[in-house]
Amino acid sequence: EPEVTQTPSHQVTQMGQEVILRCVPISNHLYFYWYRQILGQKVEFLVSFYNNEISEKSEIFDDQFSVERPDGSNFTLKIRSTKLEDSAMYFCASCRDRQRNIQYFGAGTRLSVL
Amino acid sequence: KNEVEQSPQNLTAQEGEFITINCSYSVGISALHWLQQHPGGGIVSLFMLSSGKKKHGRLIATINIQEKHSSLHITASHPRDSAVYICAVRGGADGLTFGKGTHLIIQP
Repeated sequence: EPEVTQTPSHQVTQMGQEVILRCVPISNHLYFYWYRQILGQKVEFLVSFYNNEISEKSEIFDDQFSVERPDGSNFTLKIRSTKLEDSAMYFCASCRDRQRNIQYFGAGTRLSVL
Repeated sequence: KNEVEQSPQNLTAQEGEFITINCSYSVGISALHWLQQHPGGGIVSLFMLSSGKKKHGRLIATINIQEKHSSLHITASHPRDSAVYICAVRGGADGLTFGKGTHLIIQP
């Protein structure tokens, strides 16, 4: 069965450093999402992406965050200058048709900011 | 902003029992998702509902749009069903709003 792939599984970084989290969505999917889950808390929506542009973003997704689909297969989340509070599990998801289909989630990247 | 409430927060049951997890939300939606999160953190989508009822194996999900309420049922529960079950809703836009999840433990 096709799956969403995320790399790395765990990223450790120093406060203030830039990180890029990578995702390979399922190949015929058109909608792409990033979510985060701070340890012990609920999952939160960050951003959705369709037709090569952001379609919606939450208030969490400030100027420190950006997303890109550089080559038609990868979907990346960049955090420019990480803060301690960015430590969380980051999930990528994709779906074919947001009106009809479930979202398929990757296994997540655990980001630890020291 | 939609508020998504799940009950119970924690549920421990014996193998074979019929399980019900409830979800209510405050604002009208276009779709409701049920998700399963395993101890390692991975998330699996179980159902997407906009009306009525869906069944997959031992799992059944129902939604009542008028009452802004959905239930997830597990029949003949098994220890491998132990996980966190999460309800999430989508309004007019893309992003899902998630509940805090129900921690389910099925004891042999």
